[in-house]
Amino acid sequence: NAGVTQTPKFRVLKTGQSMTLLCAQDMNHEYMYWYRQDPGMGLRLIHYSVGEGTTAKGEVPDGYNVSRLKKQNFLLGLESAAPSQTSVYFCASTLRGVSNEQFFGPGTRLTVL
Amino acid sequence: TQLLEQSPQFLSIQEGENLTVYCNSSSVFSSLQWYRQEPGEGPVLLVTVVTGGEVKKLKRLTFQFGDARKDSSLHITAAQPGDTGLYLCAGIAGGTSYGKLTFGQGTILTVHP
Repeated sequence: NAGVTQTPKFRVLKTGQSMTLLCAQDMNHEYMYWYRQDPGMGLRLIHYSVGEGTTAKGEVPDGYNVSRLKKQNFLLGLESAAPSQTSVYFCASTLRGVSNEQFFGPGTRLTVL
Repeated sequence: TQLLEQSPQFLSIQEGENLTVYCNSSSVFSSLQWYRQEPGEGPVLLVTVVTGGEVKKLKRLTFQFGDARKDSSLHITAAQPGDTGLYLCAGIAGGTSYGKLTFGQGTILTVHP
């Protein structure tokens, strides 16, 4: 039982490049979330999903897209990376209707030059 | 948009001292959570408080939810170096929130031996 895993752990991009961050969970959780964490700003919700095939915008969705084709996977895409997207990205999941405890992955540190 | 103001942002104390971290909002939350985050890892849930006025204890940590469910506090008694880390409060709105969390900015706690 690996919990929530994220790939990759680190990445450096040049402005304008694209990439996809992968999140996988093996706990059969319905709800999944993508956050970004910046110094002094806590975690901010980018996008979330309440089930396979569904996605919705969070607090800071601009510049990001997501997809949830399988229940266990939630992908975060950056189509044209900008320096403002330099951050640490966390994926989380939770079991619908239970304690609302979110289980977080270890994070992806992204630097956009 | 619901906001959570967390204070202080930084706390540096000696082993054995007591401390309190505050989390305040002008909005009502259906529940409030406290997470702890170690460097290079994702946040891990410490506690969830649900009822106004609720007090929960976890060893040397005491969590309180305000009567109006707009604020919360975390008190640590006789802090130890192992308590060092980032503490985050997070609120869950009422209604159909899909478990979405609104995070405070976080408190970086350093306990010196």
